[in-house]
Amino acid sequence: ELKVEQNPLFLSMQEGKNYTIYCNYSTTSDRLYWYRQDPGKSLESLFVLLSNGAVKQEGRLMASLDTKARLSTLHITAAVHDLSATYFCAGLNTDKLIFGTGTRLQVFP
Amino acid sequence: ETGVTQSPTHLIKTRGQQVTLRCSSQSGHNTVSWYQQALGQGPQFIFQYYREEENGRGNFPPRFSGLQFPNYSSELNVNALELDDSALYLCASRQTGTGELFFGEGSRLTVL
Repeated sequence: ELKVEQNPLFLSMQEGKNYTIYCNYSTTSDRLYWYRQDPGKSLESLFVLLSNGAVKQEGRLMASLDTKARLSTLHITAAVHDLSATYFCAGLNTDKLIFGTGTRLQVFP
Repeated sequence: ETGVTQSPTHLIKTRGQQVTLRCSSQSGHNTVSWYQQALGQGPQFIFQYYREEENGRGNFPPRFSGLQFPNYSSELNVNALELDDSALYLCASRQTGTGELFFGEGSRLTVL
């Protein structure tokens, strides 16, 4: 059974700094997803990573996938307050998403 | 805007009651899945429907049931509500080509 772990669980960072969120998964996953969730809101799709070595970037966020290490990363460059949210990674196993516990990111001035 | 709409957005029920949550997804999205997200947790897979048949289920008891209709709408029914059923219920539909999942805004259920 696929298990997905994220770290850190909480991340408080200063504006302008860089940081990386890590997502490890236990068995083969067909693809890897990253979502953002604001308090009380639904999930916003950020990235879908389909193959080993995939790298996608959108604004200050960049996601990568290493299927051999069973690791995905979400890198934040020059953080701004608007990035404050909870970020989830999820693996796909027999058509169901298995989510990590989430990383709650808070960006302060 | 994901094209996935859910109703109601909020509702309050008491223990033992039954609830029906509804989801309308985009045309052509043949797969719909439902997730339960308790406060402070990641979403948990409840079940999935493909072309009106259930084709995957998570670790949820039979009192959680669903339906999918030909018009790309679906329902989640929960019988004999328990306090622990209080959560955000998310519906997601899948785009056939990319496999990307689009989530609705969710229905927040409170069981008193």
